[in-house]
Amino acid sequence: GAGVSQTPSNKVTEKGKYVELRCDPISGHTALYWYRQSLGQGPEFLIYFQGTGAADDSGLPNDRFFAVRPEGSVSTLKIQRTERGDSAVYLCASSPGQGRKETQYFGPGTRLLVL
Amino acid sequence: DQQVKQNSPSLSVQEGRISILNCDYTNSMFDYFLWYKKYPAEGPTFLISISSIKDKNEDGRFTVFLNKSAKHLSLHIVPSQPGDSAVYFCAASGFHAGGTSYGKLTFGQGTILTVHP
Repeated sequence: GAGVSQTPSNKVTEKGKYVELRCDPISGHTALYWYRQSLGQGPEFLIYFQGTGAADDSGLPNDRFFAVRPEGSVSTLKIQRTERGDSAVYLCASSPGQGRKETQYFGPGTRLLVL
Repeated sequence: DQQVKQNSPSLSVQEGRISILNCDYTNSMFDYFLWYKKYPAEGPTFLISISSIKDKNEDGRFTVFLNKSAKHLSLHIVPSQPGDSAVYFCAASGFHAGGTSYGKLTFGQGTILTVHP
């Protein structure tokens, strides 16, 4: 079956612009996570959705970052007034429910480059 | 503060030998640990996990060992194969503020494993 998909795979933008990154989780998965991976580092948690609601957004760096999941499936991560420091790979993962011991399935990521 | 640390940025082993990847953690609230494997241009793929009530979990060529008192875990790959060459991430999960439970993962920096034929 289809895994987690993310679009676009690459995004180049200029400083100050607005970007949207999309995640399509595995069908039926209610839990969705966004992580950010900078060069040479491991993925860093950004936000967690259970269904339509953001249950934990404590990892969002500042108020330029926002994410939605209006119908409990597809999620969009939105970054306003992008800065060069936002350049990273943005990873999305999903899991069947809300258990801590569930395997998270990751998408291939969106590589964001802010010039 | 880096709550999960992988102090070896890279490891090189010969095909057929054992690969040992190490991971240390500092947060006592972590009670579930995972290893993920990542190939270039792909997302991390789950490999193996262990709960803090165990000290060992084995799955084929992969074994994870957990030493709770030392807050240390390791991944053993025996025998190593060239296809195992990838970046390996250690990750941890635990209860959060208010006793909530969900799968927020804290990752280490990763170790690049290269297995030579």
